[in-house]
Amino acid sequence: QQQVKQSPQSLIVQKGGISIINCAYENTAFDYFPWYQQFPGKGPALLIAIRPDVSEKKEGRFTISFNKSAKQFSLHIMDSQPGDSATYFCAASKRAAGNQFYFGTGTSLTVIP
Amino acid sequence: DVKVTQSSRYLVKRTGEKVFLECVQDMDHENMFWYRQDPGLGLRLIYFSYDVKMKEKGDIPEGYSVSREKKERFSLILESASTNQTSMYLCASSYRESYTFGSGTRLTVV
Repeated sequence: QQQVKQSPQSLIVQKGGISIINCAYENTAFDYFPWYQQFPGKGPALLIAIRPDVSEKKEGRFTISFNKSAKQFSLHIMDSQPGDSATYFCAASKRAAGNQFYFGTGTSLTVIP
Repeated sequence: DVKVTQSSRYLVKRTGEKVFLECVQDMDHENMFWYRQDPGLGLRLIYFSYDVKMKEKGDIPEGYSVSREKKERFSLILESASTNQTSMYLCASSYRESYTFGSGTRLTVV
């Protein structure tokens, strides 16, 4: 059973546009929601993360929006650039020691000039 | 920063061979994980370990085993490689919210 569902599977956005990737989870015990960015030939790297006590977190052009009641969270990339082209994974976990991260299936983002 | 090093970037092995994928982390993390990544399927957990000599099956353990004799090293073993094990393999280590991946090993079984 997929613990975290991610959509869309792929996304094409014009340079300067907004990229939006959505994730949904079922387990209300999850209390940490990171996003990872993966470039070709590299492992995923932490991009931005949020805890459920806030509804939004912004770091530069990247924003996570979190809706606890709907059990959904999303990544918004403002002013998307060709260098943002990568695969993005959302994840969820419980912060206790020995945590396991549950990953979404990934979104391949292409930003065209 | 935590560094997770996977010994090989690319490997080509023959069907039936025993294959070892090595992963080393340098931050004394207790938790280590092995994933495989396939297009459209995301990251699927094969095995994980919370401590030395301890292992737990993930979602797709069939055809794989692991070894963790030292805290910093976690090895994935393909007992008899098959073509359906051709994939990108990613190792990760974690402590609390810090979860770091290696660069991956692209394994091709012919």
